[in-house]
Amino acid sequence: DQQVKQNSPSLSVQEGRISILNCDYTNSMFDYFLWYKKYPAEGPTFLISISSIKDKNEDGRFTVFLNKSAKHLSLHIVPSQPGDSAVYFCAASEGGSEKLVFGKGTKLTVNP
Amino acid sequence: SQTIHQWPATLVQPVGSPLSLECTVEGTSNPNLYWYRQAAGRGLQLLFYSVGIGQISSEVPQNLSASRPQDRQFILSSKKLLLSDSGFYLCAWSVMGYYGYTFGSGTRLTVV
Repeated sequence: DQQVKQNSPSLSVQEGRISILNCDYTNSMFDYFLWYKKYPAEGPTFLISISSIKDKNEDGRFTVFLNKSAKHLSLHIVPSQPGDSAVYFCAASEGGSEKLVFGKGTKLTVNP
Repeated sequence: SQTIHQWPATLVQPVGSPLSLECTVEGTSNPNLYWYRQAAGRGLQLLFYSVGIGQISSEVPQNLSASRPQDRQFILSSKKLLLSDSGFYLCAWSVMGYYGYTFGSGTRLTVV
């Protein structure tokens, strides 16, 4: 039973364009969501997060949108850069728990 | 500043051999510690987590075990490795009341 789903295993975009990575969840008790970025042979690094009391959080080129009614969140990267090429993991936590549930990841490739 | 050390970076072990992966955290006290595995084509799966010395919770039944002999030391072990134990193992820590993990650099385990 996968509670956090990233249905697109891969995404390819041109440099300078927008990258949109999607994530769906099934557990309505999730109240905090995070995005992690992972390069090959390295541990994931925290990118951006959002609380369920918000519907948008922005940090530079990265914006996360949360649609609670649809149980859907998305990460927008504008403009995309070749250095953004990595696997992006969506993660969620429930009710103050520090345990995170991760999706399977989406591999983003930004072509020069 | 807080740092997390994980070693070795790469390991090739024969089927049936034992395993010991170590993770240590510096710069924080009483962290929550986690072992995750990323198997080929799969997301990040939580294997074990610990909220204190000697306190281990297992998330999935498996051929592995974990121990926390000291506050900032987390060990992943196996008595006899299986081919299916191959994967990328990640240690992570978090602090009570704060969301998000800091991950180690990971260990690539190949069981042959």
